Amino acid sequence: KNEVEQSPQNLTAQEGEFITINCSYSVGISALHWLQQHPGGGIVSLFMLSSGKKKHGRLIATINIQEKHSSLHITASHPRDSAVYICAVIGGGSNYKLTFGKGTLLTVNP
Amino acid sequence: SQTIHQWPATLVQPVGSPLSLECTVEGTSNPNLYWYRQAAGRGLQLLFYSVGIGQISSEVPQNLSASRPQDRQFILSSKKLLLSDSGFYLCAWSRAGAGQPQHFGDGTRLSIL
Repeated sequence: KNEVEQSPQNLTAQEGEFITINCSYSVGISALHWLQQHPGGGIVSLFMLSSGKKKHGRLIATINIQEKHSSLHITASHPRDSAVYICAVIGGGSNYKLTFGKGTLLTVNP
Repeated sequence: SQTIHQWPATLVQPVGSPLSLECTVEGTSNPNLYWYRQAAGRGLQLLFYSVGIGQISSEVPQNLSASRPQDRQFILSSKKLLLSDSGFYLCAWSRAGAGQPQHFGDGTRLSIL
């Protein structure tokens, strides 16, 4: 079993829909990243959080440390949001090592 | 502001040939540096990280090695590439210390023929 599990693996939405991507982890962590990977492969860090909630534009990330669960929400989704969204955690005994989920492929259709 | 440069963007190499991928960071000093690999259909995996010049930690046994000859330079190498070395390689940096956010380069897509 992977230490970081994401769901769903694939998600197709219509423009304007509210999107939720979930991440569950099984180890103690110091922080959790949400990353965005576009088709060309480059990765952008969207959020790093260790508690509560963060918001940036149409993106919202929440984390529940007790339940070992995080969610990434996209409001008013747009075709340019189409990408792979990856959850990664720092922890499990290491202060440096990121452990990644396998990613969620989001496709937003116009 | 800090920037990370990784090159080349794509590389096609024959089996058995050597490899050198380079990553440099600008605008910061004494960063932590990381090499990741993303094999086809799989998630990202940490290969190496470095907290200082000449200090390399390897996360998985493999055909690759890493070196940090200067503070902001991180090199991924192989003497003889294998087919299984194909994949997408990403360099990243973070500020020194634990739990800092990591910032990624644009990656190198390596195809072994």
